[in-house]
Amino acid sequence: QLQLQESGPGLVKPSETLSLTCTVSGGSISSSSYYWGWIRQPPGKGLEWIGSIYYSGSTYYNPSLRSRVTISVDTSKNQFSLKLSSVTAADTAVYYCARRSKAYCSGGRCYWVFDYWGQGILVTVSS
Amino acid sequence: DIQMTQSPSSLSASVGDRVTITCRASQSISSYLNWYQQKPGKAPKLLIYTASSLQSGVPSRFSGSGSGTDFTLTIRSLQPEDFATYYCQQSYSTPWTFGQGTKVEIK
Repeated sequence: QLQLQESGPGLVKPSETLSLTCTVSGGSISSSSYYWGWIRQPPGKGLEWIGSIYYSGSTYYNPSLRSRVTISVDTSKNQFSLKLSSVTAADTAVYYCARRSKAYCSGGRCYWVFDYWGQGILVTVSS
Repeated sequence: DIQMTQSPSSLSASVGDRVTITCRASQSISSYLNWYQQKPGKAPKLLIYTASSLQSGVPSRFSGSGSGTDFTLTIRSLQPEDFATYYCQQSYSTPWTFGQGTKVEIK
C-alpha cells in the first residue's frame, strides 16, 4: 500500500523559507506513470495546488506562487521536497503531499487525479 | 485560472436523505472534474473522477454527473460516515483548482 509522509518544521518565522519533505513508501517515486505534488489548506479554508514534479525533475507550479516555490526530487531516497521562500502569515496552512496519476485514458486524452495523499503537516508562520 | 464555484457552501441533512452538491466551472472543462471528500483532520479522499466514474472502493450511493461547466455530486441515501466536506477539482488545465467546499452537516 502506497504511503506518503510529510516532514519538516511546524513553525517558520516570517520572511524565512519553509522547507518540507515527502517520503514515499510502498512504491517507487521513479515510476513514469505519476507526478508528485504539494497542496495546501489554510485553517478553515479550501485547497490550493502549489506545484508538481515528475521523477525526471521537470516541474510546474501555480503561477500565484511560482516566484517563491521550488520543488525537487531525490529518487535515491524516494522523496520529494518543497521550499517556499519569504513566507508570511498567509502561508500558514496544512501542507499535503500527494500523488497525481492517470485515472483514465481514452483517445489520447488522460484524466488525472490526486489519488494518494499524505496525512498533512501544519506549518505556522509566526515570530 | 479556471474558477470552480460550489453551492451550497454548507447544508444540513438527515441520515437517509438524498443530497445534491453543485459545482460550476468558469469555462468549459469537458469531463475533467473530480470530487473529493474530506473529514476533519484528514486528507481529502478521491470519490469520483471524469465527472461520473466512481473510484474503487467508494460506495455506490455516491454518483456524479455533468460536463462542460456544470457538475453535480449526489449522495443517494446519506449515511453517518458521509458527514464531511466535499470539494470539486478541475484537471483540465493548470493551475489545478478546487471549489471552496461544501460542508455536509447533521440536521
